[in-house]
Amino acid sequence: DVKVTQSSRYLVKRTGEKVFLECVQDMDHENMFWYRQDPGLGLRLIYFSYDVKMKEKGDIPEGYSVSREKKERFSLILESASTNQTSMYLCASRRRNEQFFGPGTRLTVL
Amino acid sequence: AQSVTQLGSHVSVSEGALVLLRCNYSSSVPPYLFWYVQYPNQGLQLLLKYTSAATLVKGINGFEAEFKKSETSFHLTKPSAHMSDAAEYFCAVERGGSQGNLIFGKGTKLSVKP
Repeated sequence: DVKVTQSSRYLVKRTGEKVFLECVQDMDHENMFWYRQDPGLGLRLIYFSYDVKMKEKGDIPEGYSVSREKKERFSLILESASTNQTSMYLCASRRRNEQFFGPGTRLTVL
Repeated sequence: AQSVTQLGSHVSVSEGALVLLRCNYSSSVPPYLFWYVQYPNQGLQLLLKYTSAATLVKGINGFEAEFKKSETSFHLTKPSAHMSDAAEYFCAVERGGSQGNLIFGKGTKLSVKP
C-alpha cells in the first residue's frame, strides 16, 4: 500500500511566522504535489516536483516555497504566514496516472 | 487550456436511490479524467479513472462513470446510494504535458438521507 504522511493534522501559527509543512511518501515516486483546499474552490496546485531538487510553480505559488532534498520528502514553506493562508493543505505523490494523497494539514494562522 | 466544471455543489439523495454527480470538462487534447472521493477529515482517494481505454469505467464501492466525448462529460453514477457514500466528490482532468498535474473541479458534497 502506498502511504503518504504529513507531519501534522492540525497546526496553529501566528502571522509572520515561518511555517514548514512536511510530506513523506514511501513508494519511491518521482512526482510530488502540494495543494490547498478551500470550501467552494476545490483543490488548487501550489507547487510540484518531478525529481530531487526540481520544482515547478503551480497555479497559486505566491507566498509559498518548497524544498525537495530527498526523493521521499517534499516540504512546503510559508516564509511569513498570513491569515489568508489559513487553509487545508494536501500533499500527494504520483504513480502511473494516479495521485495518492496524504490526510492533510489544517493550518490556522492567527 | 483544460478545465473541469462540476454541476451542483450539494446533492442530496435518499438511501437506495440513484446517485448522479455531474462533471463536464474542457480539453484540447484527449483527456485523462478522474473522480476522487474525500471522506470527512481525510485526504482524497481515487474512485476511478479514464485513460482512453473503455469509455465506461468501473471504480470502487460500486461507482462507475462514462466518458462521452460528444458531450464532454464524465458523470459519476451509483445505482443505489448507501449512507457510507456521504462525502465530497471531486472530478479532475490531467493537464497535458504537465508531469501529471491535475486540474480539479470545485467539488460536490453528497448527502444521503435515511
